[in-house]
Amino acid sequence: GAVVSQHPSRVICKSGTSVKIECRSLDFQATTMFWYRQFPKQSLMLMATSNEGSKATYEQGVEKDKFLINHASLTLSTLTVTSAHPEDSSFYICSAPNRASGVREQFFGPGTRLTVL
Amino acid sequence: KNEVEQSPQNLTAQEGEFITINCSYSVGISALHWLQQHPGGGIVSLFMLSSGKKKHGRLIATINIQEKHSSLHITASHPRDSAVYICAVAGLNFGNEKLTFGTGTRLTIIP
Repeated sequence: GAVVSQHPSRVICKSGTSVKIECRSLDFQATTMFWYRQFPKQSLMLMATSNEGSKATYEQGVEKDKFLINHASLTLSTLTVTSAHPEDSSFYICSAPNRASGVREQFFGPGTRLTVL
Repeated sequence: KNEVEQSPQNLTAQEGEFITINCSYSVGISALHWLQQHPGGGIVSLFMLSSGKKKHGRLIATINIQEKHSSLHITASHPRDSAVYICAVAGLNFGNEKLTFGTGTRLTIIP
């Protein structure tokens, strides 16, 4: 089946630094990818929709200047958490629909656990 | 009220038991997904369905569009089935792949 990878799987950083998370579709092209955030014992919440070659679409309440998204190629989207603070500590997950399959099934990355000290 | 409600929130059962997890939603949907999240956090898509019933191994998913309800069943449950099971719905527009997630059901199967 289709595979989506994320890197890094875990990152610990100091408050004020920026962290970049990569999401790659390994065996299919993804013109759209989705970024989610999950706090402990809570549901996944959609943060933004990443569109290849155009600006990302952010959900209400998500600061676009804090969470920078770049979808530079058909297989790679990056999420940069700028000037991270402890409240940004969370589990970040991406997903990508494989539209070529015709079924629109979504494939999820393994997630990135961010801890901001 | 959440758009997607799951029950139960937590479920503990003995190995071999038949498991049912329920999902109700309040909006029109184009598809419903059942996902499995293991303790490490990674998510696996189990089913995507828009009508009827699907079966994969010991897992069965059903959906009733009129009643806005779906169930996930696990037959002959095993400790390795222990995970969080999440129901997610996609909006009505065909191009709308955004998912709204339920809060998940934490399943623990005791040997």
